[in-house]
Order: sequence, then C-alpha cells, then structure tokens
Amino acid sequence: GDSVTQMEGPVTLSEEAFLTINCTYTATGYPSLFWYVQYPGEGLQLLLKATKADDKGSNKGFEATYRKETTSFHLEKGSVQVSDSAVYFCALSEIDMRFGAGTRLTVKP
Amino acid sequence: ETGVTQSPTHLIKTRGQQVTLRCSSQSGHNTVSWYQQALGQGPQFIFQYYREEENGRGNFPPRFSGLQFPNYSSELNVNALELDDSALYLCASWTSTIGYTFGSGTRLTVV
Repeated sequence: GDSVTQMEGPVTLSEEAFLTINCTYTATGYPSLFWYVQYPGEGLQLLLKATKADDKGSNKGFEATYRKETTSFHLEKGSVQVSDSAVYFCALSEIDMRFGAGTRLTVKP
Repeated sequence: ETGVTQSPTHLIKTRGQQVTLRCSSQSGHNTVSWYQQALGQGPQFIFQYYREEENGRGNFPPRFSGLQFPNYSSELNVNALELDDSALYLCASWTSTIGYTFGSGTRLTVV
C-alpha cells in the first residue's frame, strides 16, 4: 500500500542553521504530499502541500518540492529559529492520509 | 480556532472499559476521519466517514467503531479498552477546497 518514509530523528541544530528533513514515498497513483508540524501537546498543523509533480509548497520559510522521479518531498528551511522546534510529519493522501513516523527537530539558541 | 473541535481533551479509563470520543466540524464538511497517534509515532488511520457512512478503514479491530451525525459531529467508540489503546486520537474533516483540517486531539490513557 501507499506509504511514507521520513528521516529519523531527532535532529538538533543551532539557530540560523540550514534544515533538511528527507521524505520519500511509495504510491500506486498520484497522491498529494504534505508536511505537518506538531508542537508539544497540540494536534497537527498543515505546514505546506503539493498536489502534483514539480509543485513546490512553501510556508513560513519552509519549502518542499514534489519530485516524481525520485519519489521524494524533502523539507528545507534556510535559517531555522528556536520557535521551529517541533515534530514534523511527512504525509501523502489519495483517499486517507498516510503519515511518516515523524522527525523531532530541536533548535538551540 | 481550527474549525474542528474535539472533546474531551484528556481522559483516563480502566482496561476493559468503553470510551466515546467526540468531534465537531464545520457545516458542509461531510467527510471526517479518525487517527490514532501513539507516543513518538505518526498518526495511523482508523476509519473515515462520508455522509454518515463508513467509506474506508485502516488496520484496526472491530472494537473501534464510529458514527457520523447530520449536524457534522462524529464519535469514535472503543470497546474493551487495552493498555495499548493509550494514545492521542485525532479527528480531521476534509473538503475539496481546504483539504484536511485536524482537531487538537483527545489524549486517552488506559490504566
């Protein structure tokens, strides 16, 4: 079945460092791809999405490009802040939403 | 305010008991999904309802059941609770224009 594999964490970075969290997917069709963020004690917030190949989703300085040839949707940010500390989930959707296991990011001042 | 409200926010139950979790979404959001998120893991799809009918189910036993009501509210019922049912339960509504909107979840602890 459709699935998502994302980079295991935790990831610890210093403020203003460059962030990449890898995500690859397996799907029989052409799913939409998403990145969600979860802050401690809270539910999921949509960070960005892409609905077809070569689309780039972006929000709050985060970006991810839907790469059909490599079946990837890596999350990047050029300069992370302490407030970006959270758990990030890659997900795909055709009928239901399938999530990766999550990557915990900690940004230190 | 996400537009999806879940209650209660926290709940403690004893093994073997039954529990009902509730979700309320906005008018017109005909599709609702429920997810289980165990500690340190990603959410797992339980089932989905569309216009009060179940139209998709993940790998969960029949003791996990649901209902969707005409007023865009829904319930997740779990019978014969087990310790491994302890998790954050997330409700999400879906529309073609917005996509998925998640609630903040109900944290269930089974002791």
